[in-house]
Amino acid sequence: SAVISQKPSRDICQRGTSLTIQCQVDSQVTMMFWYRQQPGQSLTLIATANQGSEATYESGFVIDKFPISRPNLTFSTLTVSNMSPEDSSIYLCSVSPKLGSSYEQYFGPGTRLTVT
Amino acid sequence: AQKVTQAQTEISVVEKEDVTLDCVYETRDTTYYLFWYKQPPSGELVFLIRRNSFDEQNEISGRYSWNFQKSTSSFNFTITASQVVDSAVYFCALSESGGSNYKLTFGKGTLLTVNP
Repeated sequence: SAVISQKPSRDICQRGTSLTIQCQVDSQVTMMFWYRQQPGQSLTLIATANQGSEATYESGFVIDKFPISRPNLTFSTLTVSNMSPEDSSIYLCSVSPKLGSSYEQYFGPGTRLTVT
Repeated sequence: AQKVTQAQTEISVVEKEDVTLDCVYETRDTTYYLFWYKQPPSGELVFLIRRNSFDEQNEISGRYSWNFQKSTSSFNFTITASQVVDSAVYFCALSESGGSNYKLTFGKGTLLTVNP
């Protein structure tokens, strides 16, 4: 399995501000994903972070609100822009650890975001 | 569209009891992957198992076992002789194949509480 780290692990932010979350993997991976888990809820995919091209967003999520970068095969960032209390969630990145040959997915420890 | 249903929102058992967590899925694909994840109170998502649609063999790993039945579109998870450390939210998830589509659709999760 891949070792995934996320920064920050938690943060409390004021509404109207933005937060950038980093995801670092210890090996090169083709696919990286960003999920959101609202309090007491299941996980919902925000977008697929594509290396060298724009992220692919799921229905209900837009680039202006959740810009994503993927500069290489081991790193990605998710920014939560112009935050409101409804953005309070755990944000998790996940990776598929083998290049194009496996559907295993492993998750980072998550970033707990509280917006006041 | 794919869908995962975990009808049991919460289950409470006494230590050493066996417990089965249900998962029913919907997909139009003939090739797909099913997963179970454990999310303890710490919040980290722990990968438990991946099963592809062509492999209907049941699997056992220690106290954990999984029953995959394509005829009923179910992928149930049984914990034998449950322990307090098994207390967590358990998520079933589905990934459809097709190109490079690795994204996961999660069920709403089942909160398992094992009491001493």
